[in-house]
Parts: sequence; C-alpha cells; structure tokens
Amino acid sequence: QVQLVESGGGVVQPGRSLRLSCAASGFTFSSYAMHWVRQAPGKGLEWVAVASYDGGNKFYADPVKGRFTISRDSSENTLSLQMNNLRVEDTALYYCARNGQGNWLDPWGQGTLVTVSS
Amino acid sequence: SYVLTQPPSVSVAPGQTARITCGGDNIGSKSVHWYQQKPGQAPVLVVYDDIDRPSGIPARLSGSNSGNMATLTISRVEAGDEADYYCQVWDSSSDHYVFGTGTKVTVL
Repeated sequence: QVQLVESGGGVVQPGRSLRLSCAASGFTFSSYAMHWVRQAPGKGLEWVAVASYDGGNKFYADPVKGRFTISRDSSENTLSLQMNNLRVEDTALYYCARNGQGNWLDPWGQGTLVTVSS
Repeated sequence: SYVLTQPPSVSVAPGQTARITCGGDNIGSKSVHWYQQKPGQAPVLVVYDDIDRPSGIPARLSGSNSGNMATLTISRVEAGDEADYYCQVWDSSSDHYVFGTGTKVTVL
C-alpha cells in the first residue's frame, strides 16, 4: 500500500536550519508530484511547496519562498524540505503528500513536528 | 493571492444533513477538492474534482461547485463524521495550492 513517512522534525532556535525527509513506498515515486503542507498548532492547513514528478518544477508559498527548498531523490524514493532561517511562525506539523492525477493531495503522511523556539 | 473562505463551524444533529460551504472568486471555474481531518490524524481526501469520491468514501458525502461557492454535503450525519473539513484548489495564475480556512463539524 502507499505509504509516506516523514522524519527530521525537532526543536530548533530561530535563524537556524532543519531538513525534513519523507520516505515514500508502495507506488512509482518518480511518476508523481509531491507536496509539503504544514499545520500550526490548533490552526488550519497551509500549503508549503510542491515538486513536479521529475523535480524540474518547484513552487513555494510566499511565506517560505527564499528560505525553504524542496527536493526529491527518485533513487531513494525520498522527498526533502531544507528549511533555513527558521522563524517562530514556522512552528507546525509538516506533512508530505502525493499529488493525485489532478491537483489534489492523496495520500498524506502522519507528519513531523517542527518547533522553532529560543 | 486566491482566498477560500469557509464557516468556522457547523453543528448538526445525527441523521440530519450538514452543508459546508467554500467561497472563492469564480470558484466554479476551478476543480475543488475536500479533505476530512479527525483529531490527531492526517487529512484524508473525501471528494475530488468537485463531485468524485475516492474508493471507500461513502456516498453520503457529496460535492457541488458553481459560481462563487462550492459545497460539501454530508447526508444522514453520523457521530463519526465529526471532524474538520477543508476545501482546496489549485490556483493556475500563481501555480499555488490553496486551502480553505477549515470548518469544524460538530454532531450534536
């Protein structure tokens, strides 16, 4: 079955960096665009970034553009999110999700928690 | 940037019908997708492309989309339908994906 497992979350100080990973299995990873979506504690869903099936196209939400970088490794079936210059407002549960045949997200991983605090 | 507006909460008695709206500028020209998120769990896709349901999603959940409003309708509401629901579209003008503000459905 399709499975997405995020890792790499933790507590980090403002201004520091963190790298998240998402291990994909159960499908042909190189055929699907992949997303990162975050959810601050008690808040709604916020789309973060998407990488096309081959990594050739990448798009970012305005709050993270220039600080976050999405990448993918099809040899390892892994999606990554490099987060630099972290801010308190980046504190959230970060989910990876597969793009559907259209522009929906399905399925989602269980998320990894990032806490930015001094 | 494109904005999707949902009511913060909807309350409904068991067996009744819940309607969750998602407002956006000319949203009827876009494909709308809906997600259900129960406490402590990841979101789950329940409707895609306005009206279609993934396998395993009951027909009690249905979607519609026209003009400036999309709607997720839950018929014959059950206690297990209590969750947060989010609409989502792809904004072609920015290549951004947009989520609605979310609606908490409470079963009385």
